[in-house]
Amino acid sequence: GAVVSQHPSWVICKSGTSVKIECRSLDFQATTMFWYRQFPKQSLMLMATSNEGSKATYEQGVEKDKFLINHASLTLSTLTVTSAHPEDSSFYICSARDRAHAPNQPQHFGDGTRLSIL
Amino acid sequence: AQTVTQSQPEMSVQEAETVTLSCTYDTSESDYYLFWYKQPPSRQMILVIRQEAYKQQNATENRFSVNFQKAAKSFSLKISDSQLGDAAMYFCAYRSVDYGQNFVFGPGTRLSVLP
Repeated sequence: GAVVSQHPSWVICKSGTSVKIECRSLDFQATTMFWYRQFPKQSLMLMATSNEGSKATYEQGVEKDKFLINHASLTLSTLTVTSAHPEDSSFYICSARDRAHAPNQPQHFGDGTRLSIL
Repeated sequence: AQTVTQSQPEMSVQEAETVTLSCTYDTSESDYYLFWYKQPPSRQMILVIRQEAYKQQNATENRFSVNFQKAAKSFSLKISDSQLGDAAMYFCAYRSVDYGQNFVFGPGTRLSVLP
């Protein structure tokens, strides 16, 4: 089945550091990838939609300059949390749509990244 | 905008018994897709079952089945013969038919399975 690899799975860093999270589709091409954020005991909230070769579309309330998204190829999207602060600590999950699949096919999720800012 | 509601924050079921998780949604679209995802403590998102709105027949996947009531905008998940491994957060999700549309997730229901 389709596999989405998300790296790193867990990162701890100091306040003020920038952190990059990678989301790769290993065996399919994804023109669209989605980045979600999940706080403890809460649901997934969409942060942005990443489109290959174009600018990401951010949801209302998500700071574009804070959460930089790059989707340079059909298999890789990156989320960079710039100048991270403790309030950015959360669980970040990416998902990808297989461009070859019909719309009724589900997205494929990465295993998530637990970000802890000290 | 679409919204998804799960009115049961927590549910519990005895092992081998049956449990039903509720989900309602609001949309003005006539065609769409509905999904149930499971998130165990590992936090991996696992697809449980999906339903196309244009299909009247309820989807089933082994011990998992749905009761899709389009007019009522209801999409409940029934888990039969519950197993300890079914314990997890369950999210109901809505997605438009437009390609590229993201999921709209409900707040989730935490299911506990009692031995």
